[in-house]
Amino acid sequence: GENVGLHLPTLSVQEGDNSIINCAYSNSASDYFIWYKQESGKGPQFIIDIRSNMDKRQGQRVTVLLNKTVKHLSLQIAATQPGDSAVYFCAEILNYGGSQGNLIFGKGTKLSVKP
Amino acid sequence: KAGVTQTPRYLIKTRGQQVTLSCSPISGHRSVSWYQQTPGQGLQFLFEYFSETQRNKGNFPGRFSGRQFSNSRSEMNVSTLELGDSALYLCASSFGDRNRETQYFGPGTRLLVL
Repeated sequence: GENVGLHLPTLSVQEGDNSIINCAYSNSASDYFIWYKQESGKGPQFIIDIRSNMDKRQGQRVTVLLNKTVKHLSLQIAATQPGDSAVYFCAEILNYGGSQGNLIFGKGTKLSVKP
Repeated sequence: KAGVTQTPRYLIKTRGQQVTLSCSPISGHRSVSWYQQTPGQGLQFLFEYFSETQRNKGNFPGRFSGRQFSNSRSEMNVSTLELGDSALYLCASSFGDRNRETQYFGPGTRLLVL
């Protein structure tokens, strides 16, 4: 079935380096994508979102890139900090007939930041 | 503004019992969605409620049910608990329309079935 998947289950980076977390999606009808961060013992925390009519969106230290041609989504974190250590999920929304669809999550990538 | 709250935070039940979990959305949000998170299956959508009506449903058995009240608070119920129901149950709220879809999650209720 159609789902959102992640290329790398784990990613280890040095503090201060940039991190790139990748995600592939298979449904070309998805028009809204979100990145969430989940720390141990907590619920997913919204990081940044992007609509399918955009290819790039920037937030504070984070950038999301969307490549619809290859159905690829990435999250870039600049100057990665120890507090960025968490599991990162990408999610897509399939909208059916105008009503809001549900989030479909990828499996997650664990980011570990080494001091 | 207060975030999404879920009660209880932790719960231990035995097989065959039933359980009710509660979720209070962010003020002004009319949509509440429920998700199950397990190490093996990841985050899976259970159902979504909007204005007291179930608007969307995931692929879970009928033992999983929910409802939403007029103040947008939501409950989910799992009957005849099985060991495999042990999971983190997450609630997320949003405004509920296409232009304001971002879902904000609560801390979850961790359910352990023995």
